[in-house]
Amino acid sequence: DAGITQSPRHKVTETGTPVTLRCHQTENHRYMYWYRQDPGHGLRLIHYSYGVKDTDKGEVSDGYSVSRSKTEDFLLTLESATSSQTSVYFCAIWGGRDEQFFGPGTRLTVL
Amino acid sequence: AQTVTQSQPEMSVQEAETVTLSCTYDTSENNYYLFWYKQPPSRQMILVIRQEAYKQQNATENRFSVNFQKAAKSFSLKISDSQLGDTAMYFCAFIFNTNAGKSTFGDGTTLTVKP
Repeated sequence: DAGITQSPRHKVTETGTPVTLRCHQTENHRYMYWYRQDPGHGLRLIHYSYGVKDTDKGEVSDGYSVSRSKTEDFLLTLESATSSQTSVYFCAIWGGRDEQFFGPGTRLTVL
Repeated sequence: AQTVTQSQPEMSVQEAETVTLSCTYDTSENNYYLFWYKQPPSRQMILVIRQEAYKQQNATENRFSVNFQKAAKSFSLKISDSQLGDTAMYFCAFIFNTNAGKSTFGDGTTLTVKP
């Protein structure tokens, strides 16, 4: 499983509240990613990081921010959650054999 | 921008039979990776098989193999001797080899293996 954990695994929140999702890896990988998965669709990239304090936007970054203050942790923040952000969120890393491995996912519901 | 298309939203196969899932992609790049991922009901994304575009030989992993046609931009997955545990959603994904691992995914094919 490439040592990737996500917390929380499930969260229900209300519109307008801030939410932070955490991704933690144990294998010192440089690249980390946040994707979202909506019903009937594949994963879409929100943000990614190529090192501590180095991040960039993906294709669906509006309404999200990220931070990476340590190699092992990559945080995704919804500053003011909206119902359209109800989704399953996956963290991923780019492994040493040029393979991408994913965390177990976080199911977020915004009421 | 690159796109990935999986034209079969749902498929079914009898246990022990062979099934092929299709994937096409569009890119102007020459060096890239293609992946098939399996997502069972647990939601975990599991890497099934990987293909480097510069390799002409098709990748195989036990019962899973691909038919990679670079000129046609086609990357199909063949599952032989299908097992009940193969029931899952399967995603095709594309990554430029210099794109820091940023993947583009298809919308998936739901495969049901029937006993």
